[in-house]
Amino acid sequence: DVKVTQSSRYLVKRTGEKVFLECVQDMDHENMFWYRQDPGLGLRLIYFSYDVKMKEKGDIPEGYSVSREKKERFSLILESASTNQTSMYLCASSLTPGVRGYTFGSGTRLTVV
Amino acid sequence: AQSVSQHNHHVILSEAASLELGCNYSYGGTVNLFWYVQYPGQHLQLLLKYFSGDPLVKGIKGFEAEFIKSKFSFNLRKPSVQWSDTAEYFCAVRVPPNNAGNMLTFGGGTRLMVKP
Repeated sequence: DVKVTQSSRYLVKRTGEKVFLECVQDMDHENMFWYRQDPGLGLRLIYFSYDVKMKEKGDIPEGYSVSREKKERFSLILESASTNQTSMYLCASSLTPGVRGYTFGSGTRLTVV
Repeated sequence: AQSVSQHNHHVILSEAASLELGCNYSYGGTVNLFWYVQYPGQHLQLLLKYFSGDPLVKGIKGFEAEFIKSKFSFNLRKPSVQWSDTAEYFCAVRVPPNNAGNMLTFGGGTRLMVKP
């Protein structure tokens, strides 16, 4: 089974801190994604990457950046955490063309205080 | 850009009741359609998908969905729900051909609670 592993299940950070969320997948998938999940809003795409060092903005990239130095790892960075970034963050990966859909990680629940 | 609407945010059913969750999308061309499920405390899992062919798609755990192109809909159904179906359900749409990254657009989710 493909595994997508997110390094932290729960995180509490202070306003203004720089926050790193890590995601690793073990099946050589080209595509990786970061979503945030909020009640009533579903999953909203923050950034995605279709190859090493390649990144594309999703629907809500403001306040975030990403890094993909290796194929298996996709990091989400909150440059200066704010309380409105308190959310559940989900990482996913897929093959191209993605006929099997995505494989999701378990999520990181981030609270910014 | 395409959008996905799930009109029922919360659904409460008794065991053995029939289920239908609505999903509508806004793109007029060819689409790939997915339903994902997220059980409490677990990650999202693929329930079923439609790419082409028979518009009635059968998935895992007795779920099925019907693609009705004229209505831009992909409703999820199950004839008899169980308490273990309590979860949040997400509809998602992907627009081929192979746009960079194979983005899925998700609906807002429907929380299903099944009373024992």
